[in-house]
Amino acid sequence: NAGVTQTPKFQVLKTGQSMTLQCAQDMNHNSMYWYRQDPGMGLRLIYYSASEGTTDKGEVPNGYNVSRLNKREFSLRLESAAPSQTSVYFCASRLNTEAFFGQGTRLTVV
Amino acid sequence: SQQGEEDPQALSIQEGENATMNCSYKTSINNLQWYRQNSGRGLVHLILIRSNEREKHSGRLRVTLDTSKKSSSLLITASRAADTASYFCATDAGNTPLVFGKGTRLSVIA
Repeated sequence: NAGVTQTPKFQVLKTGQSMTLQCAQDMNHNSMYWYRQDPGMGLRLIYYSASEGTTDKGEVPNGYNVSRLNKREFSLRLESAAPSQTSVYFCASRLNTEAFFGQGTRLTVV
Repeated sequence: SQQGEEDPQALSIQEGENATMNCSYKTSINNLQWYRQNSGRGLVHLILIRSNEREKHSGRLRVTLDTSKKSSSLLITASRAADTASYFCATDAGNTPLVFGKGTRLSVIA
């Protein structure tokens, strides 16, 4: 099983560019999440999707949009990247309790 | 704002010693989980303790939960160099997203 797969692993953007981070899970989980991790800040929730067709804001949603394309896929879009969005982004999925994480996308905005 | 706060922020011990990390949280929970993150990787689930449990063991891990103090501790016994990682607590209140603390960085020196 692949578990949770994120693409790309690394990305450098210029300020104002847009991009979409992709996430797919093969565990038939209902819930999917996007977190960002910054030094000394732990993981902060950006958006989540409790089930196919629903999305909700987390703690730090500004500057991001999401799409729950189907049960497997949950994408995160930066419409106009800013240096403050330089971070490591993690996608996770969950059925009831335990969460499974992807390997992360390291994004740098210059 | 983040629910959990781990203490200490960083911990350095010798191989064979025990490592204790603490987590405090703010609101009522259903479950508390501990995750491990190796440098540059995604988080991996270690152990879960439910709000009606006081102690749980898994291999060299022992977790306690005191809901009256809103705190939990993770004990790793007989630590090994391979235990070097960051450790995070995460809480949920039923069908809510996991909320993570800022983590404890553990260094085990061989």
